Amino acid sequence: ETGVTQSPTHLIKTRGQQVTLRCSSQSGHNTVSWYQQALGQGPQFIFQYYREEENGRGNFPPRFSGLQFPNYSSELNVNALELDDSALYLCASSTEPGQGSYGYTFGSGTRLTVV
Amino acid sequence: KNEVEQSPQNLTAQEGEFITINCSYSVGISALHWLQQHPGGGIVSLFMLSSGKKKHGRLIATINIQEKHSSLHITASHPRDSAVYICAVKTGTASKLTFGTGTRLQVTL
Repeated sequence: ETGVTQSPTHLIKTRGQQVTLRCSSQSGHNTVSWYQQALGQGPQFIFQYYREEENGRGNFPPRFSGLQFPNYSSELNVNALELDDSALYLCASSTEPGQGSYGYTFGSGTRLTVV
Repeated sequence: KNEVEQSPQNLTAQEGEFITINCSYSVGISALHWLQQHPGGGIVSLFMLSSGKKKHGRLIATINIQEKHSSLHITASHPRDSAVYICAVKTGTASKLTFGTGTRLQVTL
């Protein structure tokens, strides 16, 4: 079991810039979900990727986009960064969605600060 | 009103105390997760429940589907249990999780 690895761990960007965050899924998992966690809040669902296709999206604007690769790793891209985008971004991998209850493996997160 | 509510928001206990954290939800779910988040941000999955009760070491999780309520218990608490404990529910056919805002636990010597 390799677990879920996120990179980078910390990042500082300027308002208006673009950022790419990366996530490797756990071995055997083919679904990746991304969450945004503002300080003092619970994580909020951004979107999920299953077999390289978007499989659900939360209430986030189109400047939040993603990709999943054939090895099931994933990227989260945010364009035109705003100060409110400062948060911890968490990635979680899991087995196929819609198959009943199953476990998630979370990464340690990327802390993004927009100045 | 949030779909997932936790109580208390903050909890301070002395080492050895029995701790209970509660979670109530207002939607139909297929599973409920208890998660632990340490100050660095990483999240560890503690339990996944769809009915009944699960135990792992000093941790016990219960769920009452009819009452839409779950509890996480920690027996013989220890300072290393200090963390934020988050309840999250899985709804619908996708694997989206809806999270509570967490309970911050501090266990002192």
